[in-house]
Amino acid sequence: DQQVKQNSPSLSVQEGRISILNCDYTNSMFDYFLWYKKYPAEGPTFLISISSIKDKNEDGRFTVFLNKSAKHLSLHIVPSQPGDSAVYFCAAMGSGSARQLTFGSGTQLTVLP
Amino acid sequence: EPEVTQTPSHQVTQMGQEVILRCVPISNHLYFYWYRQILGQKVEFLVSFYNNEISEKSEIFDDQFSVERPDGSNFTLKIRSTKLEDSAMYFCASSGDRAREQFFGPGTRLTVL
Repeated sequence: DQQVKQNSPSLSVQEGRISILNCDYTNSMFDYFLWYKKYPAEGPTFLISISSIKDKNEDGRFTVFLNKSAKHLSLHIVPSQPGDSAVYFCAAMGSGSARQLTFGSGTQLTVLP
Repeated sequence: EPEVTQTPSHQVTQMGQEVILRCVPISNHLYFYWYRQILGQKVEFLVSFYNNEISEKSEIFDDQFSVERPDGSNFTLKIRSTKLEDSAMYFCASSGDRAREQFFGPGTRLTVL
C-alpha cells in the first residue's frame, strides 16, 4: 500500500545550489501535507507544511509546492547547506477524525561542500 | 522550545515479555500518536489518542498493544507479549491542532531477542 511515494532514495547537491525533493500521492482524501527531516537515531523534525487549498508555502530557505491535479508535491531548499544533509520524509494527512500521518519512504539528501 | 520526550532511549527485552514505552508530549497538546519504524522500512502509524480514548488505530495495533495517559502528562504504549517482529524504533508524537503538524519525540529503540 504505497499511498505516498518518494521515488528517489537519494539526492546529492552542491552547497549553495537548489535541492528539489519530490513526493507523489495516490489518495485524493489527503488534504494536508508535511515535510520532515530526520537525522540518524533521532525523531522526525517538522520542516514545513501545506494545505490542499494552497499551491505554495514558503518558510525561509524552504518552499513546498503542491500540484493537486498531478497529486505531486515538492520541497525546494535554496541555498542548500551541508547541515541540510539528512533523510527527508514527505507525509500526508487525511480528512479522517484522527489525522494520522502516512509517510513516504524518504530521500537521503547529501549536500556536498 | 517545548519538545516531546521519550524514555527509555533503548529497550532490550526477551520475546514474550511485556514492555512499556513512555512519552511526555508537549504540555498544551491534546492529540497524541504512536508510530513505529522497522529498520529499512517506512514510518508507520500505530494509534492516535484524544480525550482519553483511542481515536483511530492501524491494523498493526492488535490486542497485544495498549495505550494510556495515566496522569495527564505521560502517554504510554504497552506491548503485552513482545514478538521478534516488534523490534523497531517507536516514535511518540503530539499535536495541538488536528489540522496541523505533529511533533515527534526522539524515539525508543526496542530490541526483542
